Amino acid sequence: AQKVTQAQTEISVVEKEDVTLDCVYETRDTTYYLFWYKQPPSGELVFLIRRNSFDEQNEISGRYSWNFQKSTSSFNFTITASQVVDSAVYFCALRKETFGNEKLTFGTGTRLTIIP
Amino acid sequence: EPEVTQTPSHQVTQMGQEVILRCVPISNHLYFYWYRQILGQKVEFLVSFYNNEISEKSEIFDDQFSVERPDGSNFTLKIRSTKLEDSAMYFCASRRTGYNEQFFGPGTRLTVL
Repeated sequence: AQKVTQAQTEISVVEKEDVTLDCVYETRDTTYYLFWYKQPPSGELVFLIRRNSFDEQNEISGRYSWNFQKSTSSFNFTITASQVVDSAVYFCALRKETFGNEKLTFGTGTRLTIIP
Repeated sequence: EPEVTQTPSHQVTQMGQEVILRCVPISNHLYFYWYRQILGQKVEFLVSFYNNEISEKSEIFDDQFSVERPDGSNFTLKIRSTKLEDSAMYFCASRRTGYNEQFFGPGTRLTVL
């Protein structure tokens, strides 16, 4: 069975601080995909990034960066110079690589509040 | 940029009534999904749909639930006889062939009284 754990339920930081959201996953599959989604107060789910299990290269996109470490089964997400618009619930998700087994298994989410 | 759309945004119904939640996936996407999120909880998978048939479903997706692609653009979720515990936000998602990202709609909030 697949499982995603986001141990941080809520985080509050002051604007412009850096913040890292943790994600730890469990799977028996050797190949899989990892995702981060953002859910702002308006409620929609916004896709942020996908990572393949065979690609451990870390990625930076503007103020966002992701650190994927297969050895520790972690896929952490860092926001640098946080802004009030970053306030949202962030979900980490896991998916098998197999066609026909495409469900996303989500973590419980981390509620991030950026204090102006 | 193309988006997944869902209607209605909020549906209120009485327990035991049938509801149909509607989704228009992104036009060149062929894989479709329904998820739900009970208030304050995590997002849970319900069903995936491809080539006019269900490819995977969760334990939640029992005989009270059904999905349909009635035409070339809509994808619907029907709950036959709603229960109080069906109250949740229901998200539709779609995916393009050859890509792994699922793009979600804005959700339909279902309230069962």
